[in-house]
Amino acid sequence: ETGVTQSPTHLIKTRGQQVTLRCSSQSGHNTVSWYQQALGQGPQFIFQYYREEENGRGNFPPRFSGLQFPNYSSELNVNALELDDSALYLCASSFHGGGASETQYFGPGTRLLVL
Amino acid sequence: AQTVTQSQPEMSVQEAETVTLSCTYDTSESDYYLFWYKQPPSRQMILVIRQEAYKQQNATENRFSVNFQKAAKSFSLKISDSQLGDAAMYFCAYRSAFGNQFYFGTGTSLTVIP
Repeated sequence: ETGVTQSPTHLIKTRGQQVTLRCSSQSGHNTVSWYQQALGQGPQFIFQYYREEENGRGNFPPRFSGLQFPNYSSELNVNALELDDSALYLCASSFHGGGASETQYFGPGTRLLVL
Repeated sequence: AQTVTQSQPEMSVQEAETVTLSCTYDTSESDYYLFWYKQPPSRQMILVIRQEAYKQQNATENRFSVNFQKAAKSFSLKISDSQLGDAAMYFCAYRSAFGNQFYFGTGTSLTVIP
């Protein structure tokens, strides 16, 4: 088990609603990345936060937004939910600046179902 | 954008035997990192092994080893003495040395037969 936690574990929303997912990074890590994993697929990079600022973004629309807090915990916000947003959302923390390969350590994920 | 391809959606292996999972990637960069992650049915992704592209020596972690062929852009994972607990989805991932995004393959589902 990694030290990365996510909440909630499961969530059901309806189309058009907004959702907030939360992530607590592993102790000592200063960077958090969010991924969307559709059923049967590999994780797709949404964005990364470092020092409370967005530090890279994948091919996701602006209605996907995030925050990183001084304690390195993070939120993923999705507005105007669409049916295709149904997926497992993974958070991964890492340490930037250690000179290593910056391996990412994943949380257990939040399963989001949009009806 | 970099792409990672895992051409084996499903694989199976007898307990105690050896299995090799394939991964190829496409990049124009010379410096990067490669990873294998395991995602058991409980779904938390766990790092299995990582390889720095500048290292010629293949990485090894206990029963897990890789065959890294940089020129061929191939990065296979060998699991020796397979155990029931090895059953999981395995993802190959790429990260540029100059970027922060991980690119994942579509995964290989490994079944271990008792």
